[in-house]
Amino acid sequence: DAKTTQPPSMDCAEGRAANLPCNHSTISGNEYVYWYRQIHSQGPQYIIHGLKNNETNEMASLIITEDRKSSTLILPHATLRDTAVYYCIVRVEDGGATNKLIFGTGTLLAVQP
Amino acid sequence: EPEVTQTPSHQVTQMGQEVILRCVPISNHLYFYWYRQILGQKVEFLVSFYNNEISEKSEIFDDQFSVERPDGSNFTLKIRSTKLEDSAMYFCASSEGTLKTEAFFGQGTRLTVV
Repeated sequence: DAKTTQPPSMDCAEGRAANLPCNHSTISGNEYVYWYRQIHSQGPQYIIHGLKNNETNEMASLIITEDRKSSTLILPHATLRDTAVYYCIVRVEDGGATNKLIFGTGTLLAVQP
Repeated sequence: EPEVTQTPSHQVTQMGQEVILRCVPISNHLYFYWYRQILGQKVEFLVSFYNNEISEKSEIFDDQFSVERPDGSNFTLKIRSTKLEDSAMYFCASSEGTLKTEAFFGQGTRLTVV
């Protein structure tokens, strides 16, 4: 699976949009971009995923550049409960028999009141 | 909303003892996983399980570890002879499939080996 690079930490003011970047310059054509988050030692929580088109759900938006070498997770109105470590994970989708996730160190997002 | 449940939430055991960590995956899911997270470190994949057999395992998942789905609802991780370095949070996860599907994680079992 392709390696991802994320900033170790970011701050965001409550109520403002949080934009979390991720670089995945070696991504290949059959690799999807997934975002998970982990709130203080709880189990990781799925946020969103995409291949090349931008995606939006009730939690966040995912913007993937046209060359697919980077992406940005956007939390449109961050709250204190969004303080967590956010993981950008790139994974091959080839119909294989496993669905394992390879977690990096992620970005610690601190939402400030 | 359906969720993955894990028991116990915290387990303390003596070095050399066997422990069994229990998980109840989401009922219609077919793929099951164990991950662990040593304090302050990354979440690490241990093993995936499908159709009553291991489909993939990591280097961490050595002969001390085993997994089982003893009935239609439980999924267990057994550590045969615990070591101090097994102390970690252990997360169970499940998913419907392997393509473009999210994994749902439980809240974890904190294992402390003394």
